[in-house]
Amino acid sequence: AQSVTQPDIHITVSEGASLELRCNYSYGATPYLFWYVQSPGQGLQLLLKYFSGDTLVQGIKGFEAEFKRSQSSFNLRKPSVHWSDAAEYFCAVVPMNFGNEKLTFGTGTRLTIIP
Amino acid sequence: ETGVTQTPRHLVMGMTNKKSLKCEQHLGHNAMYWYKQSAKKPLELMFVYNFKEQTENNSVPSRFSPECPNSSHLFLHLHTLQPEDSALYLCASSQDRARVSYNEQFFGPGTRLTVL
Repeated sequence: AQSVTQPDIHITVSEGASLELRCNYSYGATPYLFWYVQSPGQGLQLLLKYFSGDTLVQGIKGFEAEFKRSQSSFNLRKPSVHWSDAAEYFCAVVPMNFGNEKLTFGTGTRLTIIP
Repeated sequence: ETGVTQTPRHLVMGMTNKKSLKCEQHLGHNAMYWYKQSAKKPLELMFVYNFKEQTENNSVPSRFSPECPNSSHLFLHLHTLQPEDSALYLCASSQDRARVSYNEQFFGPGTRLTVL
């Protein structure tokens, strides 16, 4: 079945440490890939997206993500996290069927930052 | 006001009440969306409107009734809800419905709904 999976429900990292959030997808063809962030009390904000080309994608707020076809993964990374990065992060996909496109979200990873 | 706004931010209602959620976008977009966000579940797309016309209803129970009087406003009318309908309801907008991959969706902060 087609799906997008975020294996980690909750991650805690120290301020200044590096971060990697995992996302795996299961689709016949590589879908369009997205990462969104939801800060407490706010809506979702697009961090970055991948359609094609360079497999390392740069986004806002110092985030980047790397697409790895062989692993069906699109992991989100940040070299040094800040306390303001505490939020929930959602991976999302749009299947490449050029029909009625629909964003399909993972269940999210909640990020806690400790001083 | 800028972006996508939603009112109220919090709502508590009984199962026999009738209430409405409101969404307004100030981005000049033509497509608007309702999503349901429940704990530990992926966001679920409920309804899509494109140029004021409903283009998608993802098997949503009839106790949820959307209304889009113009491209800037979207309502979700609630009637005879169940406790399992308690969730965060998010509104989003995009330039239009075509090519979701190219038309970024902008989300409002949501309405936290509790059904007693």
